[in-house]
Amino acid sequence: ELKVEQNPLFLSMQEGKNYTIYCNYSTTSDRLYWYRQDPGKSLESLFVLLSNGAVKQEGRLMASLDTKARLSTLHITAAVHDLSATYFCAVEIGGATNKLIFGTGTLLAVQP
Amino acid sequence: GAGVSQTPSNKVTEKGKYVELRCDPISGHTALYWYRQSLGQGPEFLIYFQGTGAADDSGLPNDRFFAVRPEGSVSTLKIQRTERGDSAVYLCASSLIGGGTEAFFGQGTRLTVV
Repeated sequence: ELKVEQNPLFLSMQEGKNYTIYCNYSTTSDRLYWYRQDPGKSLESLFVLLSNGAVKQEGRLMASLDTKARLSTLHITAAVHDLSATYFCAVEIGGATNKLIFGTGTLLAVQP
Repeated sequence: GAGVSQTPSNKVTEKGKYVELRCDPISGHTALYWYRQSLGQGPEFLIYFQGTGAADDSGLPNDRFFAVRPEGSVSTLKIQRTERGDSAVYLCASSLIGGGTEAFFGQGTRLTVV
């Protein structure tokens, strides 16, 4: 059974600080996605990582994928309060399905 | 429409009743997915449509759950004889062709079974 684990589950950080969220998965996949979810809202797509070594950056967020290590990271640079949300990684299972298996989520709280 | 639209946004029903949840995907997207998100958890896959056909329904928890997409656009998730454990947010997503293409999620339907 495919498992997708995120670490940490909860992260409280101060504005201006840097931190990394880790996403480990247990089966082969070349495709990984990061989503943001605000309370009571749906999922907002942040990054689509489609190959080993892929790195994408948007504002204060940068995501990377190492398919050999089955690891993705979401790095936060100089956090601001507006980044407070729950972040999910999701691994795509290929073949005929292309469904996403989501991690447990990381609740990020950025304190002013 | 501009995004994935789901109706209703909230549904409260009594245990044992039948409910239908609707999803209107982004125009032109052939792939459509239903997920279920329980409180404090990540979304869990239910079913995947490619066009009109259910390519993978392995995530449906039991035979009380059924989904259709008769014309390859709008999809309906149907739940019979609802149970309190069915309470969750049901999310619909669509993507252009499926694998490797970004999936866009609707705002979800919050189902509460009392």
